Amino acid sequence: AAGVIQSPRHLIKEKRETATLKCYPIPRHDTVYWYQQGPGQDPQFLISFYEKMQSDKGSIPDRFSAQQFSDYHSELNMSSLELGDSALYFCASSSGGTGIRPTYEQYFGPGTRLTVT
Amino acid sequence: AQSVSQHNHHVILSEAASLELGCNYSYGGTVNLFWYVQYPGQHLQLLLKYFSGDPLVKGIKGFEAEFIKSKFSFNLRKPSVQWSDTAEYFCAERRPDKLIFGTGTRLQVFP
Repeated sequence: AAGVIQSPRHLIKEKRETATLKCYPIPRHDTVYWYQQGPGQDPQFLISFYEKMQSDKGSIPDRFSAQQFSDYHSELNMSSLELGDSALYFCASSSGGTGIRPTYEQYFGPGTRLTVT
Repeated sequence: AQSVSQHNHHVILSEAASLELGCNYSYGGTVNLFWYVQYPGQHLQLLLKYFSGDPLVKGIKGFEAEFIKSKFSFNLRKPSVQWSDTAEYFCAERRPDKLIFGTGTRLQVFP
């Protein structure tokens, strides 16, 4: 079965550079979530999109922006990178929006490991 | 404050020992609870989830969890662990548009 695809898998950038992370959700999934997991930390929610509109926002720095495109893939743009941005960035997808239902599940991608030097 | 609490930060067990990992949530609304596992260097995988109904939920790899509403708890259990269960375990609750994770429990199983 198709899974969530993230690219690139690894990315090394220098301070003050920019980075773009891409996420391709499972086919027919309409909701995308971005999480940041620092070393030894739990995943922290950054932002989510449902049907190409931002649906919720968490602890995402102003230097970061994201969007969901017409084909439902999403991109996380990170500018003025700082050392503290080094982390594993997960994308997850689900279907059916935010309605409460027993089939709800977020499927996680393999993550992009960003290292800022 | 962390709305999902995992009190066991690091658990060390021998193979065949029984496992129980604690998870407490605080959300007072409709509850969707999950346990995810993260093997070293890998992404999060769903072990099991609770939505409603039977409070005892069975998941993959022999794991189960019990939802106790009066205690705001959703503890993960496995009667006999294996070396391959060595991983990080995260409890999470759903807040409509996102998952709130606990701080995780690192499980090490020795042969």
